[in-house]
Amino acid sequence: KQEVTQIPAALSVPEGENLVLNCSFTDSAIYNLQWFRQDPGKGLTSLLLIQSSQREQTSGRLNASLDKSSGRSTLYIAASQPGDSATYLCAVRHSNYQLIWGAGTKLIIKP
Amino acid sequence: DTGVSQNPRHKITKRGQNVTFRCDPISEHNRLYWYRQTLGQGPEFLTYFQNEAQLEKSRLLSDRFSAERPKGSFSTLEIQRTEQGDSAMYLCASSFQSDFNEKLFFGSGTQLSVL
Repeated sequence: KQEVTQIPAALSVPEGENLVLNCSFTDSAIYNLQWFRQDPGKGLTSLLLIQSSQREQTSGRLNASLDKSSGRSTLYIAASQPGDSATYLCAVRHSNYQLIWGAGTKLIIKP
Repeated sequence: DTGVSQNPRHKITKRGQNVTFRCDPISEHNRLYWYRQTLGQGPEFLTYFQNEAQLEKSRLLSDRFSAERPKGSFSTLEIQRTEQGDSAMYLCASSFQSDFNEKLFFGSGTQLSVL
């Protein structure tokens, strides 16, 4: 059974710092991995999608990596800003075509 | 294109009552998903449609839950005889599915509180 874990559950850093969020999964048979952002009381916004054949994807200050063999993905945020404060969730598209979600990392960027 | 729209935003109901939520996906999207999310957890899959066909329903979903997508456009999710454990954020997402690498677009959700 595929399980997705995100550690830490919460993270607080000063503005301007670079930071890394972690996501691990137990079964490497995935089609892709996605990172989402969720603001309080809101739906989710897709940030990056990494296909199983890819190693990383970049969008602006965000860079996501994927290592299928070790069951890990990281989301790197450069030069963090207070507007980056949100909960970040990763999800893997497993072999049964469903998305399996982590519980998220709540990120707070202190001005 | 106004994105995925969900109504109502909030619903407070008494235990035992029936509730219905509506989701209007992005117009050209052929797939529509319903998820449930509780505080501090990731979304939990409920069901999904491809056009008007309901292709999969979570085994966790009891018979009190039903979803429809008439004519492959908007969708409704109904919960009958609500229980306090049904309190959660109900999220709808849509996508244009051409392969497995679909990008999901989420609505803002309906927050259900069962008293």
